[in-house]
Amino acid sequence: NAGVMQNPRHLVRRRGQEARLRCSPMKGHSHVYWYRQLPEEGLKFMVYLQKENIIDESGMPKERFSAEFPKEGPSILRIQQVVRGDSAAYFCASSPAGQNYEQYFGPGTRLTVT
Amino acid sequence: QQQVKQSPQSLIVQKGGIPIINCAYENTAFDYFPWYQQFPGKGPALLIAIRPDVSEKKEGRFTISFNKSAKQFSLHIMDSQPGDSATYFCAASRNTGKLIFGQGTTLQVKP
Repeated sequence: NAGVMQNPRHLVRRRGQEARLRCSPMKGHSHVYWYRQLPEEGLKFMVYLQKENIIDESGMPKERFSAEFPKEGPSILRIQQVVRGDSAAYFCASSPAGQNYEQYFGPGTRLTVT
Repeated sequence: QQQVKQSPQSLIVQKGGIPIINCAYENTAFDYFPWYQQFPGKGPALLIAIRPDVSEKKEGRFTISFNKSAKQFSLHIMDSQPGDSATYFCAASRNTGKLIFGQGTTLQVKP
């Protein structure tokens, strides 16, 4: 039973480029969450999605960041025009429908902006 | 009110010792308190969780103690081993899907 999958595991982008991070939830899970972890800090909630719906995006920066979880395929976190401050580890978690408490995390994508 | 404060920031114990990590919260609407373990370069792994209707929960060598009136909860690791060396995060949630994490505690268990 595969866990949460994220790719790429490492991503290097120059300032001004776009970053696309992908997350495939665990089998049978229909809820996806994105968190960001800055160096030496805890995880910060960004967004909560169900298939084709954004449930809570209260943690998303107002500009440049967007997320989707289409009917088919992985969830995508998109960062446009990246800046050095976007350098962080981005983690995706998933949970079954109706059980948004128990979230299982993927290995993360480490984004470095040069 | 959305914060979860975790202490200590780092902790060193000898093998067999019982490290204790503490967390405090303000929002009384929180009703789920998990602990996660994270190794370097890996994602957080769910260790154990508790709800406020119980004061203690044990799973293997890991125990959560919960004090609802003080709005505090703690993780105890019995008979700690070098393999337990990792960063531990407490978190809190109120059925919104949003986990609020503490700042993390880096634990080192010396052989």
